Amino acid sequence: DSGVTQTPKHLITATGQRVTLRCSPRSGDLSVYWYQQSLDQGLQFLIHYYNGEERAKGNILERFSAQQFPDLHSELNLSSLELGDSALYFCASSLRAGAVDEQFFGPGTRLTVL
Amino acid sequence: GENVGLHLPTLSVQEGDNSIINCAYSNSASDYFIWYKQESGKGPQFIIDIRSNMDKRQGQRVTVLLNKTVKHLSLQIAATQPGDSAVYFCAENISPNAGNMLTFGGGTRLMVKP
Repeated sequence: DSGVTQTPKHLITATGQRVTLRCSPRSGDLSVYWYQQSLDQGLQFLIHYYNGEERAKGNILERFSAQQFPDLHSELNLSSLELGDSALYFCASSLRAGAVDEQFFGPGTRLTVL
Repeated sequence: GENVGLHLPTLSVQEGDNSIINCAYSNSASDYFIWYKQESGKGPQFIIDIRSNMDKRQGQRVTVLLNKTVKHLSLQIAATQPGDSAVYFCAENISPNAGNMLTFGGGTRLMVKP
């Protein structure tokens, strides 16, 4: 158990809908990262937050947004969902925001868009 | 498991043999590399890392080799065990000065035969 929790574990929804994925980092970690793992794209970095502020953005669609709250939990919002958004979404956390800070991954949320 | 269906290269080894998993990375400016293990139904788990100022680093039963000249990374697992069966990803930090953003390779599935 990495200490990172993600809810829900599974989510099934329809195209056009909006969902929110939630992540609680390990106790004491200030950074939260979101990744998408799909069958055709592998593991892709989406976005990194450190202590409430956005630090880096990867291949995140405009339909997707995220935030990190004062209690350091984070939410990833996915809107206008398309079939291609079906994937595993992982959250990771690290103590700080340094390049060598180990990232601890949560168990993921499996999103299925029908 | 979640990785079923991913078209990953597969390495099949006999229990007790040594395994070598290879990875080519993309950015010659990357200075930090990590190997992750992902078991079915779980998030990636850190195995070992290496900085670009090193060419070899050893852990418990694992060794990472880095060849910057050809941008190649390898993971060696000694005395492979059934519990080592998983998908292995290499990752590089391509923006160490602008956030902790990891770029993952495509992954290799390791299957250990008892």
